[in-house]
Amino acid sequence: GAVVSQHPSRVICKSGTSVKIECRSLDFQATTMFWYRQFPKQSLMLMATSNEGSKATYEQGVEKDKFLINHASLTLSTLTVTSAHPEDSSFYICSASVVQETQYFGPGTRLLVL
Amino acid sequence: QKEVEQNSGPLSVPEGAIASLNCTYSDRGSQSFFWYRQYSGKSPELIMFIYSNGDKEDGRFTAQLNKASQYVSLLIRDSQPSDSATYLCAVYDSWGKFQFGAGTQVVVTP
Repeated sequence: GAVVSQHPSRVICKSGTSVKIECRSLDFQATTMFWYRQFPKQSLMLMATSNEGSKATYEQGVEKDKFLINHASLTLSTLTVTSAHPEDSSFYICSASVVQETQYFGPGTRLLVL
Repeated sequence: QKEVEQNSGPLSVPEGAIASLNCTYSDRGSQSFFWYRQYSGKSPELIMFIYSNGDKEDGRFTAQLNKASQYVSLLIRDSQPSDSATYLCAVYDSWGKFQFGAGTQVVVTP
């Protein structure tokens, strides 16, 4: 149980375009979903926390107008990277939480902006 | 001071030996503690969680929690090359935030 999927697993896009990443909890209802970014050989960096039906809470330094998060249902959250630039290239990972605060991670999305 | 501290490693462990990973946290009110394993290029996967002082065993893994010392550890018995990964300690703090350590890289040598 506690399976989280992400789509796409890998995306290459041109600078200036927008990219949407989906995160789904497949076998449970997640009250909270988290979005992380990880650069090579660095630790996870929390970008934002989203609760179903409410606005996401962004971490300091994360531009909310650039990284749009929508948590439309208890099983789906989306992250849209708007007007992507090469410096946005990274590994984006979502996670979903169930009871007792345990987070289960999706497989991640590798974004490359050319 | 970081909320969750781990030695970055790498921790080199001979195959079959015990790997011992340590983690300290700063928020004394933290209630939940987690260990994740992350293989290179992959996302973290949950190994264990622990809430109460003492030991919790699951297969070859044992988590140990000492709230008085604000210390949580992970032991990996009979280490295998497939255990080579980065191990992340995570703490759910009293502010309701999930704090991750930077991770300890473990290398199991045949």
